[in-house]
Amino acid sequence: KNEVEQSPQNLTAQEGEFITINCSYSVGISALHWLQQHPGGGIVSLFMLSSGKKKHGRLIATINIQEKHSSLHITASHPRDSAVYICAAMFYYGGSQGNLIFGKGTKLSVKP
Amino acid sequence: DTGVSQDPRHKITKRGQNVTFRCDPISEHNRLYWYRQTLGQGPEFLTYFQNEAQLEKSRLLSDRFSAERPKGSFSTLEIQRTEQGDSAMYLCASSSTGVGTEAFFGQGTRLTVV
Repeated sequence: KNEVEQSPQNLTAQEGEFITINCSYSVGISALHWLQQHPGGGIVSLFMLSSGKKKHGRLIATINIQEKHSSLHITASHPRDSAVYICAAMFYYGGSQGNLIFGKGTKLSVKP
Repeated sequence: DTGVSQDPRHKITKRGQNVTFRCDPISEHNRLYWYRQTLGQGPEFLTYFQNEAQLEKSRLLSDRFSAERPKGSFSTLEIQRTEQGDSAMYLCASSSTGVGTEAFFGQGTRLTVV
């Protein structure tokens, strides 16, 4: 069964803190996406990973294929980083919900 | 190709009215997905298509919901007799099939039923 688990569900941080959001998945995937959604806003694609690590500004995404795990890190967090962060996995084989499965999201709030 | 586009971006409707949303996928993508996202939650699967065939439908997709993908290109999601509980973000994504495939995401249509 294709499953994606994301943690934590809610995260509150102080401005400047280093933040980690985790995503694990059940079986083989061809791609892992990290998405961002600000309150009242649309979905923005941050990263697509199939291996290794990617960095964009203060955001870093890593994936460990053997561990079936990915992390999204935010360095020097800022209140404008407050958003819902969602991981989505593209599985090789589809199940009853197709092969694109989303995590439940992490609601991040960064306090000044 | 400018990516996956959804129209409209926002829709406010009165309870009981019908609404229709459109998704235009990446042109060569044969898979198209619809999801619903309520406030503070991750997207929930509604349905997906491979070409023009609707392969799976979630039990979330009641009889008031219907989705089509004529000719295997754009897709429409219609909600009849809208209810306040239908207020959500409706998200579309598309992908090809095969090794190394990745998904592309629309920005979503935000529906508010008043």
